[in-house]
Amino acid sequence: NAGVTQTPKFQVLKTGQSMTLQCAQDMNHNSMYWYRQDPGMGLRLIYYSASEGTTDKGEVPNGYNVSRLNKREFSLRLESAAPSQTSVYFCASRPTSGDTNEQFFGPGTRLTVL
Amino acid sequence: QKEVEQNSGPLSVPEGAIASLNCTYSDRVSQSFFWYRQYSGKSPELIMSIYSNGDKEDGRFTAQLNKASQYVSLLIRDSQPSDSATYLCAVRGTGFQKLVFGTGTRLLVSP
Repeated sequence: NAGVTQTPKFQVLKTGQSMTLQCAQDMNHNSMYWYRQDPGMGLRLIYYSASEGTTDKGEVPNGYNVSRLNKREFSLRLESAAPSQTSVYFCASRPTSGDTNEQFFGPGTRLTVL
Repeated sequence: QKEVEQNSGPLSVPEGAIASLNCTYSDRVSQSFFWYRQYSGKSPELIMSIYSNGDKEDGRFTAQLNKASQYVSLLIRDSQPSDSATYLCAVRGTGFQKLVFGTGTRLLVSP
């Protein structure tokens, strides 16, 4: 199993450009998440998807959109990138058995917006 | 007040010592608590979970939970240089789906 995979690993954008960050998991998890991590701010939830076909806003959703394409894939789109969106982006997924809330993280995408 | 608070550190300990990492949280109805380890440039990795008051041990790691004091800690015995990382405390909030993370404590273990 590859676990949670993310593409690309690195990206540099100019202000105003758009891009989509891809995430896929092969663990048959229902729930998937997008976080951003900034120095001194910890991990902040952008959007999450409790199951295929549903998405909900997290703590910092402004400037982002998401698509839960199917059970495996959850993408994050920046329509018009801004320097404030320079960050490391992590995708995570969660098993749904029992009441565990363990989240498994992908390797991250390091995004710089100039 | 932040929902989950951790001292940012760095916490410096010599090899072989006990490292004690602390975390407080504000939501009294929180039920699940997690410690993640994050090496520089890598993604967070779950190392401990705890759901009830008391201690939970796993190898060199012990998680301690005190819901009355809204306090959770992680003890690392016989600390090794390979334990040098940032340790993130995470709490399941009022929304079942979501974890709230602290900003992390950086641990440095010197040989």
